[in-house]
Amino acid sequence: LAKTTQPISMDSYEGQEVNITCSHNNIATNDYITWYQQFPSQGPRFIIQGYKTKVTNEVASLFIPADRKSSTLSLPRVSLSDTAVYYCLVGGLTYNFNKFYFGSGTKLNVKP
Amino acid sequence: SQTIHQWPATLVQPVGSPLSLECTVEGTSNPNLYWYRQAAGRGLQLLFYSVGIGQISSEVPQNLSASRPQDRQFILSSKKLLLSDSGFYLCAWDRPVTNTGELFFGEGSRLTVL
Repeated sequence: LAKTTQPISMDSYEGQEVNITCSHNNIATNDYITWYQQFPSQGPRFIIQGYKTKVTNEVASLFIPADRKSSTLSLPRVSLSDTAVYYCLVGGLTYNFNKFYFGSGTKLNVKP
Repeated sequence: SQTIHQWPATLVQPVGSPLSLECTVEGTSNPNLYWYRQAAGRGLQLLFYSVGIGQISSEVPQNLSASRPQDRQFILSSKKLLLSDSGFYLCAWDRPVTNTGELFFGEGSRLTVL
């Protein structure tokens, strides 16, 4: 199972771009990389998922280098409402079933 | 569209009392189902997962149990709660065909054991 490592916390200011990196050195061939956002007392919410290179949607971009041993979630022009915990999840379809283990997450604090 | 609901949202229970948390998924068939627990200020701990009716796998051996009596119903139980069972319990589902890590979470149930 691929273990993930993220910074415990990050600070940013409104309007800045924020990049959160996740390390997953033992990622398997079948594994996808998924990022979640969690607000206090709520369940995590899916942000973006990728397998390799770059993926972009309406809220974020995900950069994955060729070796796939890390990934970077990029949040453009953050606002106060982006203050949350962000989790990187690595997993994929195995021959049977895959269990998903979340890391400790990165607490992003956006300041005015 | 698919939805997932958990209840109760909040409960306070004395040590030694039983527990039953329920999770229901609508709008999909044969989902994979998960129970996670989150202690205050911590990450998510996988407790149980299920790939079908009556099929439960436990990740953390403790005084909790799970059951899946129907395809889209997942129940977390305990016969006697411990103080350490306090936390935020989250139910989640994903599509059995993809199973790539795109999980959909419920609103959560906050349990306080006194």
